[in-house]
Amino acid sequence: EDKVVQSPLSLVVHEGDTVTLNCSYEVTNFRSLLWYKQEKKAPTFLFMLTSSGIEKKSGRLSSILDKKELFSILNITATQTGDSAVYLCATMNRDDKIIFGKGTRLHILP
Amino acid sequence: EAQVTQNPRYLITVTGKKLTVTCSQNMNHEYMSWYRQDPGLGLRQIYYSMNVEVTDKGDVPEGYKVSRKEKRNFPLILESPSPNQTSLYFCASSLWFSGRMGEQYFGPGTRLTVT
Repeated sequence: EDKVVQSPLSLVVHEGDTVTLNCSYEVTNFRSLLWYKQEKKAPTFLFMLTSSGIEKKSGRLSSILDKKELFSILNITATQTGDSAVYLCATMNRDDKIIFGKGTRLHILP
Repeated sequence: EAQVTQNPRYLITVTGKKLTVTCSQNMNHEYMSWYRQDPGLGLRQIYYSMNVEVTDKGDVPEGYKVSRKEKRNFPLILESPSPNQTSLYFCASSLWFSGRMGEQYFGPGTRLTVT
């Protein structure tokens, strides 16, 4: 059975810290990995990764995929209170089916 | 404004009373999908559609139906709702190009309570 596992489940850090969120997967016919941020409402898209070793960056956020070891990390540098959210990892397989992990709840203390 | 709309946003209903949650997008997206989100279980895909008249089951399709008669609309139908379908439902859409999905846009969510 396909699965996506995120760790840690929750994390509390101070403003200015750097955090690394983990996502491992076991997915048949893997196509791509996606990261989302969810605050109090609908998830918003962060990154889509399809190739190993190529870092994607957006401001203080970056992500990379390792297709050999079947994991991805999401890094957030110089965290701000506005980064507090649930971060969701998802995979899409070649049948276009999407599976989400349970998310990492990140809380940034001022 | 590019968006995914869902209606209703909130619904309280009784067991067995058929209901439809509508989803519409104005971005000409090929891929549309329904999810439910439950505490401790995360987001789970119910059904998805690659284009008009093409639908596929996600992880939790039991008790739900969908249709894709027009590209912009993807309604979710609960023929006989039960209390275990009480959940927060999201519709999402994305472009599909060169065999790859683009950024997925989510609707605002529909909170459904079945008593």
